[in-house]
Amino acid sequence: SYELTQPPSVSVSPGQTARITCSGDELPKKYASWYQQKSGQAPLLVIYEDSQRPSGIPERFSGSSSGTMATLTISGAQMEDEADYYCYSTDGNGRVFGGGTKLTVL
Amino acid sequence: QVQLVESGGGVVQPGRSLRLSCAASGFTFSLYGMHWVRQAPGKGLEWVAVISHDGRNTHYADSLKGRISVSRDNSENTVHLQMSSLRAEDTAVYYCAKERLVDIDHWGQGAVVTVSS
Repeated sequence: SYELTQPPSVSVSPGQTARITCSGDELPKKYASWYQQKSGQAPLLVIYEDSQRPSGIPERFSGSSSGTMATLTISGAQMEDEADYYCYSTDGNGRVFGGGTKLTVL
Repeated sequence: QVQLVESGGGVVQPGRSLRLSCAASGFTFSLYGMHWVRQAPGKGLEWVAVISHDGRNTHYADSLKGRISVSRDNSENTVHLQMSSLRAEDTAVYYCAKERLVDIDHWGQGAVVTVSS
């Protein structure tokens, strides 16, 4: 079955840029989206269609995709951005989430 | 605003069945596909199933095929997940979620399912 691969953890200091990657064989042909999940909460869409930001999501969140890798970038990460982040895509029929990346801001 | 409210969770014995429901409001339900996603304690998100806006097409996670079925009632703005032969590893928070073209844009707060004797 189709898989998306993310690093388990990323750490940055406040104000630095955090980059979280997601690799998958279908990403050259399929969009990726990204979800933020804070402890005890439902996920929140932060990027859709590789690079689009939903209304209400801060501009420091951006996304890109090249070849088999999609990247979520948080420019000037803040303490409130500390959370788990998941990429999401499809292989045409089913859907799949990446394993998740724990972002630590300290 | 979009609201998704899951119900039907609880404690169920191994081998038994369970039906989760999700009541939707705040959008034209019949125009959107709906998903179920689960999250086991301390684990990541696992996509479970999707049903098309008209209920004609469904897709399931390979790991769950044969044990789950998703349905919807557009007259009642509800979507259901039927699970059978439940196992301990099915213990999770089950989220109902609304599709937005090729992704998910709204989530419910989740229903807790615990499979235990």
